[in-house]
Amino acid sequence: DAGITQSPRHKVTETGTPVTLRCHQTENHRYMYWYRQDPGHGLRLIHYSYGVKDTDKGEVSDGYSVSRSKTEDFLLTLESATSSQTSVYFCAIRPGDRGTDTQYFGPGTRLTVL
Amino acid sequence: GENVEQHPSTLSVQEGDSAVIKCTYSDSASNYFPWYKQELGKGPQLIIDIRSNVGEKKDQRIAVTLNKTAKHFSLHITETQPEDSAVYFCAASGGGSYIPTFGRGTSLIVHP
Repeated sequence: DAGITQSPRHKVTETGTPVTLRCHQTENHRYMYWYRQDPGHGLRLIHYSYGVKDTDKGEVSDGYSVSRSKTEDFLLTLESATSSQTSVYFCAIRPGDRGTDTQYFGPGTRLTVL
Repeated sequence: GENVEQHPSTLSVQEGDSAVIKCTYSDSASNYFPWYKQELGKGPQLIIDIRSNVGEKKDQRIAVTLNKTAKHFSLHITETQPEDSAVYFCAASGGGSYIPTFGRGTSLIVHP
């Protein structure tokens, strides 16, 4: 998993509650990404980061915010969870050396919003 | 933006047969095409990739081919084994953006 951990691995929560998912990497890579995976949709980018405190929106960012106060941690927050945010969430890193595009994924967090 | 179409969505083969998964992309500026394998309950794992200056790349039983003119690329798995059963994703990126666009995935089932 390229030194990537995600926590929690599973979470069940109720509609309207805040949820924070954590992605932690051990190799000081500059680029980090959050995706959601849903049946029939593949992987869709939520937000990404290109450095500490530098983040930008992806394709499906509505209802999500992110923060990156340290190189190793990238947090994804659902301010008020909705049932449509039930999904599997993957964090990815891109080493970025020599301009490479390759992304490496974490093990995922399965989130259920009741 | 880039659009990646992947076919088929499901592929069922007998052990020992070959499997081919095809993807097309829309942005002629794309120049990097990775393939990922995702086993149940795990994150996608990179299995092979190809860049636009190469037409074919092999790694043991898997190979990827790229046709830039037609804007399509394919994953070929020979001598399939039950452990090849997984969901496979293609992706395309380039043209100054390092953010890939993914296909919707192919569920490969290899029957013993």
